[in-house]
Amino acid sequence: AQSVTQPDIHITVSEGASLELRCNYSYGATPYLFWYVQSPGQGLQLLLKYFSGDTLVQGIKGFEAEFKRSQSSFNLRKPSVHWSDAAEYFCAVGGSGGSYIPTFGRGTSLIVHP
Amino acid sequence: DAGVIQSPRHEVTEMGQEVTLRCKPISGHNSLFWYRQTMMRGLELLIYFNNNVPIDDSGMPEDRFSAKMPNASFSTLKIQPSEPRDSAVYFCASSPGTFNTGELFFGEGSRLTVL
Repeated sequence: AQSVTQPDIHITVSEGASLELRCNYSYGATPYLFWYVQSPGQGLQLLLKYFSGDTLVQGIKGFEAEFKRSQSSFNLRKPSVHWSDAAEYFCAVGGSGGSYIPTFGRGTSLIVHP
Repeated sequence: DAGVIQSPRHEVTEMGQEVTLRCKPISGHNSLFWYRQTMMRGLELLIYFNNNVPIDDSGMPEDRFSAKMPNASFSTLKIQPSEPRDSAVYFCASSPGTFNTGELFFGEGSRLTVL
């Protein structure tokens, strides 16, 4: 069965600082990997996805993520965080049975200090 | 363009009452998903439909939960009878395809509180 671990429940950064959110997955074959963002009171929005090819994936809002098969990781990064990035971030893995339908991690809450 | 529309946004009800949550997917999307979000269990997939047909309902917690999709533009998730442990945010999401896109478009959710 596929699963996702986001080891950090909360991350606090200062505005303008760099950001890395960790994600580890468990899946037997090549996974489909996703990062979603959820602002308070809103639904989830896709930031980026990895299916195959280049292991460094660019997404919206200046985010990127790198797939590392050897580490079973798909960490999300941003070079300079803005106050509006404060939100809940979810990593997800899909691919089981040929379907991309994602299984979500528990999420990491990003707090941005001015 | 309208996104996924869910109603009601908030529902407060008493234990034992029937609850019906509604969802209108994005026009042209042929896959629809119901998720439940709680602090304890995170985001859980309850059921998903492809071309109005339920494909996988293994996430539906028990017989008190049922979901229907009578046509391509409407789906309901019903809980009867409701219990306090059903309190959660229920999300509906739609997608243009089942196996070839990878992107789910989420509604804003329906927050259910069962007293």
